[in-house]
Amino acid sequence: AQTVTQSQPEMSVQEAETVTLSCTYDTSESDYYLFWYKQPPSRQMILVIRQEAYKQQNATENRFSVNFQKAAKSFSLKISDSQLGDAAMYFCAYRSLSGGYNKLIFGAGTRLAVHP
Amino acid sequence: KAGVTQTPRYLIKTRGQQVTLSCSPISGHRSVSWYQQTPGQGLQFLFEYFSETQRNKGNFPGRFSGRQFSNSRSEMNVSTLELGDSALYLCASSRGQTGESYGYTFGSGTRLTVV
Repeated sequence: AQTVTQSQPEMSVQEAETVTLSCTYDTSESDYYLFWYKQPPSRQMILVIRQEAYKQQNATENRFSVNFQKAAKSFSLKISDSQLGDAAMYFCAYRSLSGGYNKLIFGAGTRLAVHP
Repeated sequence: KAGVTQTPRYLIKTRGQQVTLSCSPISGHRSVSWYQQTPGQGLQFLFEYFSETQRNKGNFPGRFSGRQFSNSRSEMNVSTLELGDSALYLCASSRGQTGESYGYTFGSGTRLTVV
């Protein structure tokens, strides 16, 4: 069974600085998707960035980028030029491509605080 | 474009009662998944419905059930409520196509409190 581990329960960053959130996962599959979701106090999970495992190039979305290390099964999120609105819970998630399963496996989350 | 709508936003129920939660997906999305979020267990997959059929199920007791209607709207039902069922229940919709990488669009959830 696949598992996702986020080892940092809490992180903090100064506004305009850069922060990296860690995520590791365990799987025996070769094809899968990885996601980072943000959950602000409004509770809605918002997709931040996604990565297809077959792509070697790291995904980037504006100030958000990932460092995807497939062999090490690592998928970290880097937030550049942090803004107050980035404060939220961040969840790393894994999705298998086998069996047509449409199911996400989440890590425990990292609470990010942004200080002015 | 309307997002995923979950109703109600908040719900308080007594142990032993049953509850029904509703989720309306994004127009054109045929897959609806449900997740339970608690401080202790985190986010756990409940089940997924696609074209009115349950396609996948998580490790939850039979008290948790769901269904999907022809318009893709989905309901989940929890019978004989227990205190441990208190949680945020999130619904997510997607096109449901095998191999799609779009991820999911989530609703804002229903906060269920069992007293």
